[in-house]
Amino acid sequence: SQQGEEDPQALSIQEGENATMNCSYKTSINNLQWYRQNSGRGLVHLILIRSNEREKHSGRLRVTLDTSKKSSSLLITASRAADTASYFCATTNTGFQKLVFGTGTRLLVSP
Amino acid sequence: DTEVTQTPKHLVMGMTNKKSLKCEQHMGHRAMYWYKQKAKKPPELMFVYSYEKLSINESVPSRFSPECPNSSLLNLHLHALQPEDSALYLCASSQVGGTDFRSGNTIYFGEGSWLTVV
Repeated sequence: SQQGEEDPQALSIQEGENATMNCSYKTSINNLQWYRQNSGRGLVHLILIRSNEREKHSGRLRVTLDTSKKSSSLLITASRAADTASYFCATTNTGFQKLVFGTGTRLLVSP
Repeated sequence: DTEVTQTPKHLVMGMTNKKSLKCEQHMGHRAMYWYKQKAKKPPELMFVYSYEKLSINESVPSRFSPECPNSSLLNLHLHALQPEDSALYLCASSQVGGTDFRSGNTIYFGEGSWLTVV
């Protein structure tokens, strides 16, 4: 069963613009991860943020986590056409290593 | 080397066939996973192995039979599948995590095996 809901479901922007995707989840988590999936391909891990962290950066990626609101956001700055993909948040519940994915955001970056 | 290798990349099988999907990792991970993904949907967990023992079965029909012969290999045996089982099957691996937030283990995915049941 899915735990996370993401919005928007789809996002279309121009190269150079920033893209923000949001994820909300329902239960307590150990950590939250963001993955990218190019069409028909496997999932690529982007970044992991632990439940005691509020913000994390990796290159052009910035992730925030608000455990009081059970939400996270992924910001991609200065987007490129190569960033076109689906982006999923995924949470690991307390108790065991069960990674549950959100519904995903399809990002289209036009040149 | 953060690589999970899945074979075959594409598989077409009839409803009476028996086939297997294979997954291999050499990162020393002791947790391995099978996920199923339908088009435009998120991956859904099927099975989790921890130290080569099945630890989670998400109520998957018995026509899917997982096997973990050693710490590097994970198989998914397929028998008497239905057309609605057609999907992308993803294998993943990670270190075995603890139960608190400090574990933070990244889960690495393979490229997947596209399965079509005819």
